[in-house]
Amino acid sequence: KAGVTQTPRYLIKTRGQQVTLSCSPISGHRSVSWYQQTPGQGLQFLFEYFSETQRNKGNFPGRFSGRQFSNSRSEMNVSTLELGDSALYLCASSLEAGPIEQFFGPGTRLTVL
Amino acid sequence: QKEVEQNSGPLSVPEGAIASLNCTYSDRGSQSFFWYRQYSGKSPELIMSIYSNGDKEDGRFTAQLNKASQYVSLLIRDSQPSDSATYLCAVKGNTGKLIFGQGTTLQVKP
Repeated sequence: KAGVTQTPRYLIKTRGQQVTLSCSPISGHRSVSWYQQTPGQGLQFLFEYFSETQRNKGNFPGRFSGRQFSNSRSEMNVSTLELGDSALYLCASSLEAGPIEQFFGPGTRLTVL
Repeated sequence: QKEVEQNSGPLSVPEGAIASLNCTYSDRGSQSFFWYRQYSGKSPELIMSIYSNGDKEDGRFTAQLNKASQYVSLLIRDSQPSDSATYLCAVKGNTGKLIFGQGTTLQVKP
């Protein structure tokens, strides 16, 4: 079974631009979560989607948003990019929502100049 | 107090030894506990999950959970150089959010 895929793998943007990241979960998985990983803050939860609905949200500003489609694929959008948004953005999928195992994709490395 | 705390290390053990990685958490209502391994430049890989008190063994890995003490640990027996990585403890509490510790770097020396 194919794993979680994320596109693009690398992105370079400038301050003020916006970016959209894509995630395709493992086949049959209906829950998708997004995380930001930086050396200083570690892995931080952004949001979780299940059945096209946002179930949970982390402590990030409104510039960070996401959505999930009927085929469980998810996108994450960051508007008005700041230098501090440079990070590895990870998507994880699980069969269902709730306290069960999540499997991570390879991540998208975003650099904001 | 951080929600999930780990010693950042590095923890250095000789090849063949037992590596012991520890994690404490603050939310008493936490329900699910996970250990992930992350190699440099790679994404986290799930290696163990544990949901009830006690020990859970999977090959060379044993996860231990003590909810009363709010403590979860990972033991790696017969450590190999290929086990050298950062180990992330993750806890899912009543909020439903998966909270990660900062990770412990393990170095296994041949």
